[in-house]
Amino acid sequence: DQQVKQNSPSLSVQEGRISILNCDYTNSMFDYFLWYKKYPAEGPTFLISISSIKDKNEDGRFTVFLNKSAKHLSLHIVPSQPGDSAVYFCAASAGAQKLVFGQGTRLTINP
Amino acid sequence: SQTIHQWPATLVQPVGSPLSLECTVEGTSNPNLYWYRQAAGRGLQLLFYSVGIGQISSEVPQNLSASRPQDRQFILSSKKLLLSDSGFYLCAWSPTGDQPQHFGDGTRLSIL
Repeated sequence: DQQVKQNSPSLSVQEGRISILNCDYTNSMFDYFLWYKKYPAEGPTFLISISSIKDKNEDGRFTVFLNKSAKHLSLHIVPSQPGDSAVYFCAASAGAQKLVFGQGTRLTINP
Repeated sequence: SQTIHQWPATLVQPVGSPLSLECTVEGTSNPNLYWYRQAAGRGLQLLFYSVGIGQISSEVPQNLSASRPQDRQFILSSKKLLLSDSGFYLCAWSPTGDQPQHFGDGTRLSIL
């Protein structure tokens, strides 16, 4: 059972525009959510997180939105830059320690 | 600052051979430690995690085992590798509580 789903395997966005990556989850016990960015042959790099007591968290060009009733979170990148081209994973946990990852979305930023 | 080291970066092994991948963390004490595998085109699957020396939790039944002989050392092992063990193996650490996990650069394991 895939508890965390990223239904778009890939996304292509023009440089300077907004990139929106989506993630859905099924486990209502999840209370902590994260986004990671991964380049080929490297480990994932933590980008931004949000706890279930919030519905929005911003860090520079990155904003994560959480809709608990819809069990949906999204990552907005504004403005998108060529260096943002990577695979993005969302992850969730219920309590500490164990993260459940989505399958990833490959973001390509076109000049 | 904290750093995580994982080696080797790539490894090619024959079926039936043993495996030992090592991961060490610097700049922190008593971290939570994790081993993940990413199969081709898939997400990250948690294999093992540890909250302290000698404490290992296994998430999926498999051909692999993990050990934590020291506070900041985490080892992934196998006595006999299978073709299905091929993949990208990642070690990660986190402080206790709801904190992000931080990953090493991974080991690309190919089984021939």
